[in-house]
Amino acid sequence: NAGVTQTPKFQVLKTGQSMTLQCAQDMNHNSMYWYRQDPGMGLRLIYYSASEGTTDKGEVPNGYNVSRLNKREFSLRLESAAPSQTSVYFCASSEGFSGGNEQFFGPGTRLTVL
Amino acid sequence: AQTVTQSQPEMSVQEAETVTLSCTYDTSENNYYLFWYKQPPSRQMILVIRQEAYKQQNATENRFSVNFQKAAKSFSLKISDSQLGDTAMYFCAFMKHKSGGSNYKLTFGKGTLLTVNP
Repeated sequence: NAGVTQTPKFQVLKTGQSMTLQCAQDMNHNSMYWYRQDPGMGLRLIYYSASEGTTDKGEVPNGYNVSRLNKREFSLRLESAAPSQTSVYFCASSEGFSGGNEQFFGPGTRLTVL
Repeated sequence: AQTVTQSQPEMSVQEAETVTLSCTYDTSENNYYLFWYKQPPSRQMILVIRQEAYKQQNATENRFSVNFQKAAKSFSLKISDSQLGDTAMYFCAFMKHKSGGSNYKLTFGKGTLLTVNP
């Protein structure tokens, strides 16, 4: 069981470039999440997918798009990267259908936008 | 909207001693969940302990226990017999209870960096 996997682990982009962060889970979880972590800010929710086929905005969705490709995979896309998107990005998943579900996190992607 | 406040950006403790990390939250909900997550230098987020608001009994997990004060909206984490491996960033988090729904979003505090000294 790999849990939640993310690719890539590190990425450097130039302003205006695009890229997609990939996330997959093998725990048969229904819900998946994308967070960003900035120094002094904790983790903030970007987008989430309550179940396959649905996606919703979180706290900081501007500049991002997501795709719930299937039950296992949930990708995050930056269409035109900006320096303000320099951050560490975490994907997480949970069973989603009962209260208090533990969210399982991936190892994170450190993104730098120059 | 819910907010979670961790007022201690950094703390340190000697190995084998006890330390308490503070967390307060603001919500109008009556039913919810509270969590403490640990993030060691490896960056991996790991669940330490979970508390259900409707349960009066404080949760415990081995050396980790919480002091949940619902009326005061306080949720502190106590680490007993601190070990070097406890060195990490600790995040307090809040989740609303939404019966019949399928989304359970976490709201995180800004974290407390705990250093355990030998």
